[in-house]
Order: sequence, then structure tokens, then C-alpha cells
Amino acid sequence: KQEVTQIPAALSVPEGENLVLNCSFTDSAIYNLQWFRQDPGKGLTSLLLIQSSQREQTSGRLNASLDKSSGRSTLYIAASQPGDSATYLCASDSWGKLQFGAGTQVVVTP
Amino acid sequence: EPEVTQTPSHQVTQMGQEVILRCVPISNHLYFYWYRQILGQKVEFLVSFYNNEISEKSEIFDDQFSVERPDGSNFTLKIRSTKLEDSAMYFCASSERRQPNTGELFFGEGSRLTVL
Repeated sequence: KQEVTQIPAALSVPEGENLVLNCSFTDSAIYNLQWFRQDPGKGLTSLLLIQSSQREQTSGRLNASLDKSSGRSTLYIAASQPGDSATYLCASDSWGKLQFGAGTQVVVTP
Repeated sequence: EPEVTQTPSHQVTQMGQEVILRCVPISNHLYFYWYRQILGQKVEFLVSFYNNEISEKSEIFDDQFSVERPDGSNFTLKIRSTKLEDSAMYFCASSERRQPNTGELFFGEGSRLTVL
């Protein structure tokens, strides 16, 4: 059974610092790895999707890498802003069924 | 930008009552899902739905749960007799492609169900 783990569980940084969020998964037989943002009491906003054949994906200040062989993905957020404060979830995709990590709660202080 | 919409945003019900949660997936998407998140816990898969039938369901999705696409736009989750432990945020999602590689899933804002 796929297990997805996110470290750290919480992170607080001053504005302007780069964020590094880690995600690990136990079963490398995945099709995609998807990163989401969740604001308190809100839905899941898709940030990036990395297909299993890709090594990384970029969108604006966000960059996500994927190493299937080691079962790891990393989300980098450059030059963090207070508006980046949220919980970030990663999810591995096997046959259209996402397995989520518990998330990393990020606070960016002004 | 196309989005998944869910209603109601919050529903309070008494234990044993039936609840229907509604979703309008993105119009050209073919695959539909329900997930749930109990407060403080991980988001969990409930069920996937394609071509008017269930593709896969989790152990959570027992006989108390059912899904339906009653018309060309809505996708519903019914809980027949709610229990206290059904209290959670329920998320609907859709994707453009079918299994096995469904690509990006797009989620709605969720329906918070509180069972008293």
C-alpha cells in the first residue's frame, strides 16, 4: 500500500526566503505526482503536476522535482511572500487514485 | 477558468438522516471522484466514476454511500444514514483523461458535513 510522507509538518520563514518542501512515497509505480495548496477550511488548488517520465516542472516561482527511483519529490517556492502561507499537500497518482500526504503547513512572516 | 463547483458549502444534519452532496465537474472532463478529509487527517479517496459507473472505490465507500450522475452536468454523493464519523469535508474532483493516467485532478471547494 502506498504511503506518502511530508516533512516537515510545519515551517515558518521570513518573507523573501526560499521554501523547500519534501514529499516521499513508498511505491515508485506511480503515473504522476501532484502538488496542491490548501488554505484553511478551503478546497485543494492544484499547483503542479509532474508526470512519471519527467524530472521537474516549473510554474512561476514554483519548481517541483521528482525522483521516482528514490521515491521523492521536492517543491521549491522562490522568494516567499506572506500570501504563500498555506498548507501544501503532495499526492501520488496510481490509476487515478490519489494518495495524499498529511501536508506541510507554511507560515511566511512579513 | 473552468472550475469544479460543489453545493452545499456546509451542511448540518442529524445522525441517521440522508444527505446528498452535489458537484458540477468541469464540462469536458470524463472522470469524476469523491474524496474526503476528516478534520486534522489526510485527504482520503472514496470513489472514482467513469461512463456512468463506479471505476474504483475504497474500503470507506460502503453500502451507505452511493454516487450518481443524474444528468449531463451534476455528480452526486449520497450518504443514506449518516453517522457521527461521517463528519468531514467532502471534495469532488474531475479529470480530463481516463485511467490509467488521468493527468491532473481538479478539486472543488468542498462540502463540509457536520453530523450531530
